Amino acid sequence: DGGITQSPKYLFRKEGQNVTLSCEQNLNHDAMYWYRQDPGQGLRLIYYSQIVNDFQKGDIAEGYSVSREKKESFPLTVTSAQKNPTAFYLCASRAGNQPQHFGDGTRLSIL
Amino acid sequence: GQNIDQPTEMTATEGAIVQINCTYQTSGFNGLFWYQQHAGEAPTFLSYNVLDGLEEKGRFSSFLSRSKGYSYLLLKELQMKDSASYLCAVRDRGYQLIWGAGTKLIIKP
Repeated sequence: DGGITQSPKYLFRKEGQNVTLSCEQNLNHDAMYWYRQDPGQGLRLIYYSQIVNDFQKGDIAEGYSVSREKKESFPLTVTSAQKNPTAFYLCASRAGNQPQHFGDGTRLSIL
Repeated sequence: GQNIDQPTEMTATEGAIVQINCTYQTSGFNGLFWYQQHAGEAPTFLSYNVLDGLEEKGRFSSFLSRSKGYSYLLLKELQMKDSASYLCAVRDRGYQLIWGAGTKLIIKP
């Protein structure tokens, strides 16, 4: 079945550590997105990519990095520079004018 | 600036009808989306409006007035499984989605 797979479902980070969240899609979608969701707030855009080997910063890119070496993969690294990383992270993809569809999310917590 | 407003929380009774409003101010408009999000899960797409008027899809309908910057999601014959947050999002000039904070809908028996 086609879809978006995020892993892991839960992730814990120690102080000073970088962690990478995986996002893979087999929908052949060109556009991919990373969002952060905090309790009681809307989704905030971290990074997005419209095409392979290209990506743009969203509203809250500081402390995060991404790569888009393959069409189906858009990993997000939460660096030690992100001082408040505890949140629910959502990856989405889109084809053309269609709605964005989401993976199941990764919940990141600080140890 | 860009802004989307929705009520924070609403309560309704099983079997009844509820209307969730959304007002927006964005830089350009390329469509409005409604998503449903159950607690701890990812959002799932419900409806899309780009022209004024009502779009009906089973028990759910969505209305748009571009001149008023206003939309609503109408849920009929409410079921307990409809307890969730409902997110309004507008696609702006740059084709990015601007998200409201969501409306938590509580259904009581």
